[in-house]
Amino acid sequence: GAGVSQSPSNKVTEKGKDVELRCDPISGHTALYWYRQSLGQGLEFLIYFQGNSAPDKSGLPSDRFSAERTGGSVSTLTIQRTQQEDSAVYLCASSPGTAGYGYTFGSGTRLTVV
Amino acid sequence: GQSLEQPSEVTAVEGAIVQINCTYQTSGFYGLSWYQQHDGGAPTFLSYNALDGLEETGRFSSFLSRSDSYGYLLLQELQMKDSASYFCAGRTNNAGNMLTFGGGTRLMVKP
Repeated sequence: GAGVSQSPSNKVTEKGKDVELRCDPISGHTALYWYRQSLGQGLEFLIYFQGNSAPDKSGLPSDRFSAERTGGSVSTLTIQRTQQEDSAVYLCASSPGTAGYGYTFGSGTRLTVV
Repeated sequence: GQSLEQPSEVTAVEGAIVQINCTYQTSGFYGLSWYQQHDGGAPTFLSYNALDGLEETGRFSSFLSRSDSYGYLLLQELQMKDSASYFCAGRTNNAGNMLTFGGGTRLMVKP
């Protein structure tokens, strides 16, 4: 597609429920990243996929968080047993995977846990 | 590990020049990027410095000094639409492209 697409744009969920966030990267981009951003804060790295390599999961805050990328394209970030501190904007980005090129970010999913 | 420090807020007037600094502490540092984010919007890529020196793109320029672990974003002829948050970000692994972001600088441009 022309840009990075994320869905849903907004999600309100009850504490303890599971949520799935979807990211559709730019076609041909081999690298995909998930970040989260709390209100007025910087971007916190979560997970990074590069081609067929094993993902870098070093930023996932707990074992309630997981992500997969199917067919080297679409990615899903799953948060199990959501907590109020999980409330944030979850941003997905993709890049060609070539050094020096910038990320293209999606518009994010605003997650609110009540 | 890597950490990037930048001022939390900067205010300037329309038509002026403003410089947003970024200092970093890192091992295996490979380059500095800058992103712009308007309220409620997605971060958008502005520039990337792989080598020391100045990169110019229109009204925006970015500078990197590896010896000083320091970089800056320079915005000239400020316009109201430049009011946004600006993030510096560092690459930690030359084999990959994962970025660590600074906390962001909120720029307010006043008439």
